[in-house]
Amino acid sequence: KAGVTQTPRYLIKTRGQQVTLSCSPISGHRSVSWYQQTPGQGLQFLFEYFSETQRNKGNFPGRFSGRQFSNSRSEMNVSTLELGDSALYLCASSLGTSGGASQETQYFGPGTRLLVL
Amino acid sequence: ILNVEQSPQSLHVQEGDSTNFTCSFPSSNFYALHWYRWETAKSPEALFVMTLNGDEKKKGRISATLNTKEGYSYLYIKGSQPEDSATYLCAPYYNAGNMLTFGGGTRLMVKP
Repeated sequence: KAGVTQTPRYLIKTRGQQVTLSCSPISGHRSVSWYQQTPGQGLQFLFEYFSETQRNKGNFPGRFSGRQFSNSRSEMNVSTLELGDSALYLCASSLGTSGGASQETQYFGPGTRLLVL
Repeated sequence: ILNVEQSPQSLHVQEGDSTNFTCSFPSSNFYALHWYRWETAKSPEALFVMTLNGDEKKKGRISATLNTKEGYSYLYIKGSQPEDSATYLCAPYYNAGNMLTFGGGTRLMVKP
């Protein structure tokens, strides 16, 4: 089975711009979660999508949004970029049968490294 | 904001040494604990998902234990090898919140 893929792998943007990141889960997985990793904060949960609906949400401002398509692929959008949004963005997929990450193994993608100048 | 602590932050050991590190987390509303290994330039890889107090899981030379009443988990690596060098992350999952909360990780470096 192919693993979780994320595109693009690297991205440079300037403050005020917006960006869209893409995540393709493992075939058969219906849950996609997004995480932000920064040196100071570690890995932080952004949101989780299941069956095209946002099921859970972390503590991030409304500039961070996402969506999921019928084939379970997910996109994450950040509008009005700030310098502090520079981070590694990881997505993870799981079967999604148990209402959240809970007991299910999460399979992570390689991440998209975003640099905001 | 949940306080998930991992100690030590980093660890240098010699090849062949056995080592262990700790994950501490609030025990209230606890549901499950995930352990991940994250090698540089790779994706985090799941090691264990543990739910029950007293759970012990093993994968090759790596094992983990869980104490849900006092809120801690130990990860053990027997006979460390250079390929074990990675950051080890724990993440508890709670009934309220519905998200994994990651600790800061323990960075393990194994010298040949």
